[in-house]
Amino acid sequence: GQNIDQPTEMTATEGAIVQINCTYQTSGFNGLFWYQQHAGEAPTFLSYNVLDGLEEKGRFSSFLSRSKGYSYLLLKELQMKDSASYLCAVRDPRSGSARQLTFGSGTQLTVLP
Amino acid sequence: DGGITQSPKYLFRKEGQNVTLSCEQNLNHDAMYWYRQDPGQGLRLIYYSQIVNDFQKGDIAEGYSVSREKKESFPLTVTSAQKNPTAFYLCASRMTGTTNEKLFFGSGTQLSVL
Repeated sequence: GQNIDQPTEMTATEGAIVQINCTYQTSGFNGLFWYQQHAGEAPTFLSYNVLDGLEEKGRFSSFLSRSKGYSYLLLKELQMKDSASYLCAVRDPRSGSARQLTFGSGTQLTVLP
Repeated sequence: DGGITQSPKYLFRKEGQNVTLSCEQNLNHDAMYWYRQDPGQGLRLIYYSQIVNDFQKGDIAEGYSVSREKKESFPLTVTSAQKNPTAFYLCASRMTGTTNEKLFFGSGTQLSVL
């Protein structure tokens, strides 16, 4: 099975940089996703990593190390609207073509003025 | 505009009642999913379907049922056998056969018990 760990809560200041970590223990690995979810709304896709290294997309970057079972999401120039829950999800190779995702519990980020 | 529509946004269930949550997508996606989200917890998979007239149980299927009679529609019924149905329910879909195969989510249904 899959076990995914993220910090429950984080707080940062507007304009700062924050790093949200995600560690996973799996029998196999087919990719890692990060989603953003505002309260009561649908999760929205942020990034996808399947190879080691850093993927940069505007203010958001995501890093993956498969050998360490570790990923992080980096948010730069924080804005108040970045206050949300950030979900780490790993693709489960057991499911074959169904390609199910296993989600972590999410990290609730609060951005303070 | 293409997307996934869930309805209703809020739903209340009485004791012993079955309720059905609607999920419709016009993205021409093959695969559809139902997730349950409880406060402070991750999304847990209830059921998923890869093609019409076929679906599989996820991790927490007990007390739920689904159908997939049309590609666009994947309704979820919360039966009276589900003793703790209060949660936020999310429907999702994805295109199969692409490289990252990201999920697209509906806006969710909050189900509460009266």
